[in-house]
Amino acid sequence: AQTVTQSQPEMSVQEAETVTLSCTYDTSESDYYLFWYKQPPSRQMILVIRQEAYKQQNATENRFSVNFQKAAKSFSLKISDSQLGDAAMYFCAYRSARWRDDKIIFGKGTRLHILP
Amino acid sequence: GAVVSQHPSWVICKSGTSVKIECRSLDFQATTMFWYRQFPKQSLMLMATSNEGSKATYEQGVEKDKFLINHASLTLSTLTVTSAHPEDSSFYICSARRLPEVRAQPQHFGDGTRLSIL
Repeated sequence: AQTVTQSQPEMSVQEAETVTLSCTYDTSESDYYLFWYKQPPSRQMILVIRQEAYKQQNATENRFSVNFQKAAKSFSLKISDSQLGDAAMYFCAYRSARWRDDKIIFGKGTRLHILP
Repeated sequence: GAVVSQHPSWVICKSGTSVKIECRSLDFQATTMFWYRQFPKQSLMLMATSNEGSKATYEQGVEKDKFLINHASLTLSTLTVTSAHPEDSSFYICSARRLPEVRAQPQHFGDGTRLSIL
């Protein structure tokens, strides 16, 4: 079974600074997707960034980028120029690429605080 | 596009009553929807996969008679918590996979339903 581990329950970063959230996962599959979701206090799930396992290039979305290390099964999220609106719970997630087996497995989350 | 609506957003009811939560895809069709449960300060745990026109697939440990799922159309799945008790109080979130089903397509999440059982 696949697992997703986020070892940092909480993190804090100064506004405008850069922060990296860690995530490791375990799977025997070679084709899969990885995601970072943001859950603000409203509890809405917002997709931040996604990575396809067969793509070597790290995904980037504006201030958000990932460091995907497939061999190490590591998928960290870097937030540059942190803003107050980035404060939220961040979940790392895994999804199989097998057809119709696309349930999402979430990590336990990292609560990110932005210090003004 | 790709909006998923959940209703109600918050419900409070007495112990022993049944509560129905709706998950609608507003601008797309979805053969598959997913129901998650999230306890305070915890992660989302998948409860079941709802398939249009067929029985839902429940995760291990989830009581299918307790959490009834119906996916009667390509835009609507419902979760009914039967004979709810205080321990069923939680945040329930649905997500939907839109048609046509293509590789790497993300699921779209509803805004969730906060269920409080007194």
